[in-house]
Amino acid sequence: SQTIHQWPATLVQPVGSPLSLECTVEGTSNPNLYWYRQAAGRGLQLLFYSVGIGQISSEVPQNLSASRPQDRQFILSSKKLLLSDSGFYLCAWSGMGIQPQHFGDGTRLSIL
Amino acid sequence: QQPVQSPQAVILREGEDAVINCSSSKALYSVHWYRQKHGEAPVFLMILLKGGEQKGHDKISASFNEKKQQSSLYLTASQLSYSGTYFCGTEIDDKIIFGKGTRLHILP
Repeated sequence: SQTIHQWPATLVQPVGSPLSLECTVEGTSNPNLYWYRQAAGRGLQLLFYSVGIGQISSEVPQNLSASRPQDRQFILSSKKLLLSDSGFYLCAWSGMGIQPQHFGDGTRLSIL
Repeated sequence: QQPVQSPQAVILREGEDAVINCSSSKALYSVHWYRQKHGEAPVFLMILLKGGEQKGHDKISASFNEKKQQSSLYLTASQLSYSGTYFCGTEIDDKIIFGKGTRLHILP
């Protein structure tokens, strides 16, 4: 069966520090991969999605970037975090076509 | 284009029914529904693919009116476990655009 792993579960970082969040999927090939951010009590904001290795689509211009170095690995990065980057970051995967999205457990990021 | 959900929040007593609506200003070809419990990740409930299609999941069902560009989620005889935030999403070009969510709180 397919599983999605996302880490770390919680992270506290100072303003201006770099960020790297990793997400991996097991049990499937060539998944569509997604990064979302959710502010406290708010909706799901799509940040990036990828339909294949090296293919990244950015939805919201900001100081974050994403990479997909391997088929089932999706990384969210920042060179310098801002206070506004705080939130709940969720990785998700889906199959091709109209398929459900399956979410990882999320990373709760606090910027001090 | 983000779908619009209504109401924003609902408070029910256990055993009562609720309806959550999702509408779009653009043509809909599919609608996704997810539930997110506090502090957890969203969980997939169902996808509706055709106009007029209805699907069910326990006592949670949904309808999809392609012509009206809207979908409704029906929660019948609500249970405490139904509490959470419900999101609808519309699929565009390999991605889902989610509504802002409807917070559902079930009282014992």
